[in-house]
Amino acid sequence: EVQLVESGGGLVQPGGSLRLSCVASGFTFGSYAMTWVRQAPGKGPQWVSAISGSGTSTYQTDSVKGRFTISRDNSKNTLYLQMNSLRIDDTAVYYCAKGRYDGYPGWFDPWGQGTLVTVSS
Amino acid sequence: EIVLTQSPATLSLSPGEGATLSCRASQSVSSYLVWYQQKPGQAPRLLIYDASNRATGIPARFSGSGSGTDFTLTISSLEPEDFAVYYCQQRSNWPYTFGQGTKLEIQ
Repeated sequence: EVQLVESGGGLVQPGGSLRLSCVASGFTFGSYAMTWVRQAPGKGPQWVSAISGSGTSTYQTDSVKGRFTISRDNSKNTLYLQMNSLRIDDTAVYYCAKGRYDGYPGWFDPWGQGTLVTVSS
Repeated sequence: EIVLTQSPATLSLSPGEGATLSCRASQSVSSYLVWYQQKPGQAPRLLIYDASNRATGIPARFSGSGSGTDFTLTISSLEPEDFAVYYCQQRSNWPYTFGQGTKLEIQ
């Protein structure tokens, strides 16, 4: 069974940093692209960033470029999201999700349970 | 970026009835349209990929259709567990985008 478990969320002040982690199990982690999707309270999901199976290709939405960095450690079956210069509108539940393909995600299945990031002073 | 507009925002129906949910894209996404279901307090769950392909384990009462800019998710006969929020997502262009959702509620 595929399992994705996120951690690292919490309360942070505007301008602060957090690193999210997602530990994967139940599949050959390095053979699949992975992605981060966030969902602000009461809103629809927003795709944030994706990374290829090898980690050589990354993709990001414009609003996080220059602030967030996606990475992965295939030896540890772990996906990361380093978030710097956090803003109030980054407040959301952050989900990691497994992609369908190696080079790019395609669709997302399954998703982890999410970790809440709250940016507030 | 491609904007996905879902309608209606809320759909009130009774168990046993059929449901039709719409997703319209601001430009063609070919058949690269995905549907998810989300229940309160849970992560989204994949239902349909590439417009019309049911994901593993999804009941046959769920079906998807469409191409280009207009897509439909149909639930043939609603079960109590189908009342949830449904989102469409396009994977045709970066950035991937989601619709704002349709809430399917019990009438």
